Amino acid sequence: NAGVTQTPKFQVLKTGQSMTLQCAQDMNHEYMSWYRQDPGMGLRLIHYSVGAGITDQGEVPNGYNVSRSTTEDFPLRLLSAAPSQTSVYFCASSSEGGRKTQYFGPGTRLLVL
Amino acid sequence: GENVEQHPSTLSVQEGDSAVIKCTYSDSASNYFPWYKQELGKRPQLIIDIRSNVGEKKDQRIAVTLNKTAKHFSLHITETQPEDSAVYFCAATDSWGKLQFGAGTQVVVTP
Repeated sequence: NAGVTQTPKFQVLKTGQSMTLQCAQDMNHEYMSWYRQDPGMGLRLIHYSVGAGITDQGEVPNGYNVSRSTTEDFPLRLLSAAPSQTSVYFCASSSEGGRKTQYFGPGTRLLVL
Repeated sequence: GENVEQHPSTLSVQEGDSAVIKCTYSDSASNYFPWYKQELGKRPQLIIDIRSNVGEKKDQRIAVTLNKTAKHFSLHITETQPEDSAVYFCAATDSWGKLQFGAGTQVVVTP
């Protein structure tokens, strides 16, 4: 099993550009989520999904969109990148939401200039 | 919603000594409290967790305690080793089943 995979590993964007961060898992987990990690602020939930076709907002959803068309994939879209979105992004999956082990992907480091 | 506070933000310990990280939470309905370890440049990984029907759990040199009345939970690392150097995050699951993380504790173990 590959577990949770993310691409790309690193990305530089200019302000206003759009991009999609990819996330996939092969553990048949219903629950998937996106976090951003900033120094001194821990991991903050952006969006999450409890199953294919179902998504909801987390703590810091503004500027990000998600969709969940399959159990395996959960892409995160930045519509118009801003310097405030410079961060490390982690995707995670779990068999039972926040009540079970979260398996994190390796992360995507994003720099917005 | 749930609010998790974590202290201290940095902790320096001598190899062989113990390290203690403390967290508080606000949602009295929270019932799951995991701890994650993140080494530099790596992804967070679960090291231990505790559920609200248990007061203490131990796994080798790591233990977690939970005081539901006071809404406190703590991570204890005994006989620290250099490989224990990392950032540690506590978390609590809110009443909606979402995980709220603390801000993290940078632990440095010096030989």
